[in-house]
Amino acid sequence: QITLKESGPTLVKPTQTLTLTCTFSGFSLSTTEVAVGWIRQPPGKALEWLALIYWDDDKRYSPSLKSRLTITKDTSKNQVVLTLTNMDPVDTATYYCAHYHYSGSYFDYWGQGTLVTVSS
Amino acid sequence: QSALTQPASVSGSPGQSITISCTGTSSDVGGYNFVSWYQQHPGKAPKVMIYDVTNRPSGVSSRFSGSKSGNTASLTISGLQAEDEADYYCSSYTNSRTWVFGGGTKLTVL
Repeated sequence: QITLKESGPTLVKPTQTLTLTCTFSGFSLSTTEVAVGWIRQPPGKALEWLALIYWDDDKRYSPSLKSRLTITKDTSKNQVVLTLTNMDPVDTATYYCAHYHYSGSYFDYWGQGTLVTVSS
Repeated sequence: QSALTQPASVSGSPGQSITISCTGTSSDVGGYNFVSWYQQHPGKAPKVMIYDVTNRPSGVSSRFSGSKSGNTASLTISGLQAEDEADYYCSSYTNSRTWVFGGGTKLTVL
């Protein structure tokens, strides 16, 4: 059974760097054709795809946020880490990590999400 | 990349059918058969309902179906039920090897 869970700070100050961890079980990121992505959703607004990391360490980023995002994996810990620099109040959102179904190109298992608020 | 375009809201009565459109470009929706649809109830994580334009994951009701024509994909829900009331988002793979979501559509079951 695949599960994912996001963890990290619930409150960050403007200009700080956000670090979120996705801890998963039921699959391994060292297995071919496996990937994990991050998606966020500001309160009352739409989903926004942020980043994705493949089993072979290939990484993809949202073009609009590429300069601020970094995604990494720790296969020994079954974790994926997302960092977002220079946080701004507009980055206030629920951040989700999700398992990517490689052959179908969709996100089939999602974490519960974690709400991050940016405020001084 | 710009968000895919969806109607802000649609509504229908129980038993009726509704269709939600999702318009992109030849760089995303029109260029790949990698369109997926997600259902999201308030306070919950999204759930995939359709993938690869027309495919339903195991466990998803056959009342949900997907299609595509040119740069526009569509999600149809037949035999509307109260439990279908939710937000729906489309998503597509893009030629930049990234993903893009739509702006979301709020479905109201009257």
